[in-house]
Amino acid sequence: QQQVKQSPQSLIVQKGGISIINCAYENTAFDYFPWYQQFPGKGPALLIAIRPDVSEKKEGRFTISFNKSAKQFSLHIMDSQPGDSATYFCAASKSTSGTYKYIFGTGTRLKVLA
Amino acid sequence: EAGVTQSPTHLIKTRGQQATLRCSPISGHTSVYWYQQALGLGLQFLLWYDEGEERNRGNFPPRFSGRQFPNYSSELNVNALELEDSALYLCASSLGSFGHEQYFGPGTRLTVT
Repeated sequence: QQQVKQSPQSLIVQKGGISIINCAYENTAFDYFPWYQQFPGKGPALLIAIRPDVSEKKEGRFTISFNKSAKQFSLHIMDSQPGDSATYFCAASKSTSGTYKYIFGTGTRLKVLA
Repeated sequence: EAGVTQSPTHLIKTRGQQATLRCSPISGHTSVYWYQQALGLGLQFLLWYDEGEERNRGNFPPRFSGRQFPNYSSELNVNALELEDSALYLCASSLGSFGHEQYFGPGTRLTVT
């Protein structure tokens, strides 16, 4: 019940295309869903995050779509660029329970072709 | 503003030895989290410290331990090292305990031979 399932494991997209990464969770108590971007040799960097009271959040070329009933959320990268090539992790947490910790998906390695 | 810093960058140890990893959170952050990222795997939660207290730990054996100092910096200790402990160890910090974003450091690459 604590798992976050992420797909696909890897993704190749042409420059200018849309990259879509999906995550699904089981625990309905999760109330905070961040996405992280990690370049080789670096720590993960917070990209964008959403709470379940909204169905979509957009920041620049990055959009999170959230489907509470399906317990799924996804990251869309519009106009994908070679510089977006990185590993992306979704995560989920219960922010008010006192056991505040992130459960991470297994990651998606994105490659954007020039 | 300086981000989360970790030291050392790389650490090579022999099986059975002990490793000590250090983390300095962003100024003003009181919570520190430790994660293990084994090669090809996602991030596994290890430990969470807040205000000097261990608040939660992940599914790891007791030989993984740590502490948080009065200045909120933290130390992760791994005793009796095993080959499978080889991984990138990431530290993150957040402003407080609940509902705050976690910001990660660059990690310490631990290699056990």
